[in-house]
Amino acid sequence: DAGVTQSPTHLIKTRGQQVTLRCSPISGHKSVSWYQQVLGQGPQFIFQYYEKEERGRGNFPDRFSARQFPNYSSELNVNALLLGDSALYLCASSFLHGYTFGSGTRLTVV
Amino acid sequence: AQTVTQSQPEMSVQEAETVTLSCTYDTSESNYYLFWYKQPPSRQMILVIRQEAYKQQNATENRFSVNFQKAAKSFSLKISDSQLGDTAMYFCAFMKHESGGSNYKLTFGKGTLLTVNP
Repeated sequence: DAGVTQSPTHLIKTRGQQVTLRCSPISGHKSVSWYQQVLGQGPQFIFQYYEKEERGRGNFPDRFSARQFPNYSSELNVNALLLGDSALYLCASSFLHGYTFGSGTRLTVV
Repeated sequence: AQTVTQSQPEMSVQEAETVTLSCTYDTSESNYYLFWYKQPPSRQMILVIRQEAYKQQNATENRFSVNFQKAAKSFSLKISDSQLGDTAMYFCAFMKHESGGSNYKLTFGKGTLLTVNP
């Protein structure tokens, strides 16, 4: 079975631009979560979606948004990028209480 | 709000020896889960071991075991017979149990960089 897949793997954007990151969960997993991992820190929770509904949101500004599609894949959108948004963005899919993470998207804002 | 503290930013161990990574957490919850994740340079977060708070028996997965002290809110990871492939960042994480719910947020510590030396 394929694991959690994220695209793209790397991305470079300019301040003020918008970015969309994509995630496909493991087949059968209905929940997708997004985490931001700044260099040298542990991941921080951004969003969780379950059955296409937002079920949790972390302490992130409204510039961050997400959605989940009928096939349970998900997109994370970040508007008006700041230098501080440079990070590794991790997606995790879950079934019951087990989380499986993807390899992440490395976003660099210049 | 829950917090997770890993007080050892870096540790090193010789191959084949045993090492223990520390983790403490703060919560008012009684039902929760604790995890250790490993993140090698490949970036993918890999689950090492999981502990349910209601279970008194410490979890074990091959060379990995935990010492879960619920009253002290301590959750340390012991790696026996360390191997070069164990070199990675190790993160301790907390998740509140919500019966019938679906909001399963993980709260991570800042991590411990473990280096296994040949």
